[in-house]
Amino acid sequence: EVQLLESGGGLVQPGGSLRLSCAASGFTFTNYAISWVRQAPGKGLEWVSAVSGGGRNIRYIDSVRGRFTISGDISRNTVYLQMNSLRAEDTAVYYCAKEDSSSSPYFDYWGQGTLVTVSS
Amino acid sequence: SYELTQPPSVSVSPGQTATITCSGDSLAKHYAHWYQQRPGQAPLLVIFQDTERPSGIPERFSGSTSETSVTLTISGVQAEDEADYYCQSADYSGSYRRIFGGGTKLTVL
Repeated sequence: EVQLLESGGGLVQPGGSLRLSCAASGFTFTNYAISWVRQAPGKGLEWVSAVSGGGRNIRYIDSVRGRFTISGDISRNTVYLQMNSLRAEDTAVYYCAKEDSSSSPYFDYWGQGTLVTVSS
Repeated sequence: SYELTQPPSVSVSPGQTATITCSGDSLAKHYAHWYQQRPGQAPLLVIFQDTERPSGIPERFSGSTSETSVTLTISGVQAEDEADYYCQSADYSGSYRRIFGGGTKLTVL
């Protein structure tokens, strides 16, 4: 059974940092990309970043490039999202999602999400 | 830049058919996928690659496509189908970003 478990959310002041973790199980970690998708309170879904199974291909949305860093630890089957210089507009539930390997990626499994609140 | 456009809301009575459209230039070249999100829950994939239904998704959910738009159809709507629905595709112009539509709130009257 595929499972994705996020952790690391919490309350942080503007300009601060947090590291989110996504522990994956039930599939071959190196064969699939993992994405982070966020949802601000009362808003829609927004893709943030993706890392390929081997860690070679990394993508970001423009608004987080240079502030967020995605990485994967094969030994732990875990993907991380290091978030620096956090802003109020980064406040959201952050989901990690497994991507299916296809010519047009989609998210076939999702975690339950972890809440990040950026506020003074 | 690529964008996907959905109607903010759709309302339907139980047992009737709901249709939610998603339009965008990228859909002429790339597949679209649909997610259901009930309040307080994570999104759930209901249609992938325009028309394919994952195992476990009821047959009343179906997808169709026409040039630069895709449609999610829910036949015989049930109260439990009340949720937000999002389409999703990809922008391969260089950034390889994944794109979501703004979401459609389906209300079952």
